[in-house]
Amino acid sequence: DAGITQSPRHKVTETGTPVTLRCHQTENHRYMYWYRQDPGHGLRLIHYSYGVKDTDKGEVSDGYSVSRSKTEDFLLTLESATSSQTSVYFCAISDRTSGGAGEQFFGPGTRLTVL
Amino acid sequence: AQSVTQLGSHVSVSEGALVLLRCNYSSSVPPYLFWYVQYPNQGLQLLLKYTSAATLVKGINGFEAEFKKSETSFHLTKPSAHMSDAAEYFCAVSDNTDKLIFGTGTRLQVFP
Repeated sequence: DAGITQSPRHKVTETGTPVTLRCHQTENHRYMYWYRQDPGHGLRLIHYSYGVKDTDKGEVSDGYSVSRSKTEDFLLTLESATSSQTSVYFCAISDRTSGGAGEQFFGPGTRLTVL
Repeated sequence: AQSVTQLGSHVSVSEGALVLLRCNYSSSVPPYLFWYVQYPNQGLQLLLKYTSAATLVKGINGFEAEFKKSETSFHLTKPSAHMSDAAEYFCAVSDNTDKLIFGTGTRLQVFP
């Protein structure tokens, strides 16, 4: 299994509070991604990173920000959490420079509940 | 723009029966196609991938998928379902850029 960890694994918070989720990898992969998974929507890309300090928006980026100061860490921040951000969040990594087809490897997920 | 459609959000089969999960894609360039499996309370795991080397792709756990360009399909099959195959399955497409586009998933139930 790819070395990807996510923390925390579960979090309950209140509307309006800031929340930061962490993704940590030990594979030295260049690309990192944050998705959210909701019933009926599959996985939707929030933000992704193609290198240290290089990030870009995905399909559902409103209300989220990211940072990547080191290859191994990719942080997702909800500046002011809302109930619509209750979801399961997955981090993924990819290393297309190895000649792969762009397949991504996923972390175990973080279940976030915003009350 | 790329897109993926998975027909049937739920599929139920009996143990030992054929599994067929449908995936159709839209892509303006030759695609890379993937099937992922997600077991309860876990992340996604790659089942198999199509990268133009062969149209019939074999994956883990006895699954395979066939790329049919004329039908823009990449259906997932397994000859004989096992109870342990119960999970959610996602089809995804890439145009060899940094991103994958996922379908909405199909939940497979296997009855004894």
